[in-house]
Amino acid sequence: EAGVAQSPRYKIIEKRQSVAFWCNPISGHATLYWYQQILGQGPKLLIQFQNNGVVDDSQLPKDRFSAERLKGVDSTLKIQPAKLEDSAVYLCASSLEGRGAYEQYFGPGTRLTVT
Amino acid sequence: AQSVTQLDSQVPVFEEAPVELRCNYSSSVSVYLFWYVQYPNQGLQLLLKYLSGSTLVKGINGFEAEFNKSQTSFHLRKPSVHISDTAEYFCAVSETGGFKTIFGAGTRLFVKA
Repeated sequence: EAGVAQSPRYKIIEKRQSVAFWCNPISGHATLYWYQQILGQGPKLLIQFQNNGVVDDSQLPKDRFSAERLKGVDSTLKIQPAKLEDSAVYLCASSLEGRGAYEQYFGPGTRLTVT
Repeated sequence: AQSVTQLDSQVPVFEEAPVELRCNYSSSVSVYLFWYVQYPNQGLQLLLKYLSGSTLVKGINGFEAEFNKSQTSFHLRKPSVHISDTAEYFCAVSETGGFKTIFGAGTRLFVKA
């Protein structure tokens, strides 16, 4: 089966610019996650979708980050305006279901550099 | 709320030597435990998981982990490592009945020839 697809793989922008990342989960997976992974740290959950509804967005900086999952399939994460501290790898993952017992399948990530 | 501590940020080891990567967790309820591996420029992939039952869990690539409830630990072991095992390893925990998975900071395993 095809894995989780993400694009772009790399992005360099200047601070105060905007950027968008795209994710296509594994077919049939109801749950989609966006994580932020800062160099030297573990992934931190930004937002979790169950189909096209939000389960958890408690750590999403809502003044600058937004995410949507229209039609319960692919998803877009946007940052506007970007700050230097947003430099990180943004990982998308999906799972069959949202409960904690289910394995998450990760995409290759998008490496964002904000200058 | 649950939390995860990986006690070693880096573990250098010679090829064919045994290795143990340590993970401790904190939670007020029962948990599920996971180990994921991340190779350079790739996403994470599951090595093994503990949901219930036998406390010794075997995973892919010859890795195994043991759940110790009294010590709230889930250490990862491999009896003989290969150069190809060089990667970042993440311990993760989620509470039974919950939806959120918390990841540790990671341990970088570096296997030397």
